[in-house]
Amino acid sequence: NAGVTQTPKFRILKIGQSMTLQCTQDMNHNYMYWYRQDPGMGLKLIYYSVGAGITDKGEVPNGYNVSRSTTEDFPLRLELAAPSQTSVYFCASSYSKGGGGAPEQYFGPGTRLTVT
Amino acid sequence: AQKITQTQPGMFVQEKEAVTLDCTYDTSDQSYGLFWYKQPSSGEMIFLIYQGSYDEQNATEGRYSLNFQKARKSANLVISASQLGDSAMYFCAMREGLGFQKLVFGTGTRLLVSP
Repeated sequence: NAGVTQTPKFRILKIGQSMTLQCTQDMNHNYMYWYRQDPGMGLKLIYYSVGAGITDKGEVPNGYNVSRSTTEDFPLRLELAAPSQTSVYFCASSYSKGGGGAPEQYFGPGTRLTVT
Repeated sequence: AQKITQTQPGMFVQEKEAVTLDCTYDTSDQSYGLFWYKQPSSGEMIFLIYQGSYDEQNATEGRYSLNFQKARKSANLVISASQLGDSAMYFCAMREGLGFQKLVFGTGTRLLVSP
């Protein structure tokens, strides 16, 4: 089990460029998430998905798009990159059945993105 | 309104001593969950411990325990017998409700363990 994998590990973008951050999990988890972590701060939820074909906005969705065509993959798209999107991006997944339980989220290693 | 508050930006502890990291939360939900994650300098997020709002006993996982005081809305992490490898950022997080898994994180506490 690889768990949650993210690519790339590092990326430098110029202002206005676009890119897709890839996230894949092999644990058959139904829930997947994208967070960003700004320096010295906690994580903030960008988007999440409760299953293939279903996505919803989190706390800070502006400037991002997601799709979930399979259970395993949850790519995050940045359109027209801005310096404010310089951050570390974490993908996570969890399993939930009927709510409740202790479904900790399993995190990927993160992608460090710089927009200049 | 801030939902998770971690008031200690940094904490120092000597090896083998116990340390408490503070976390207070704000919610009007009756059903919620509280999590602690560790983030070492390598950057990954490591799940440590979970407490559900209906759990009557404080959660424990090895050297980690969660001091859950519902009336005070606090969920402090206690690390017993600190080790050098415990030096890291520690984040408290809350999940509101049962149906959703969205986590709200605090700003973290940096723990330094000295020999």
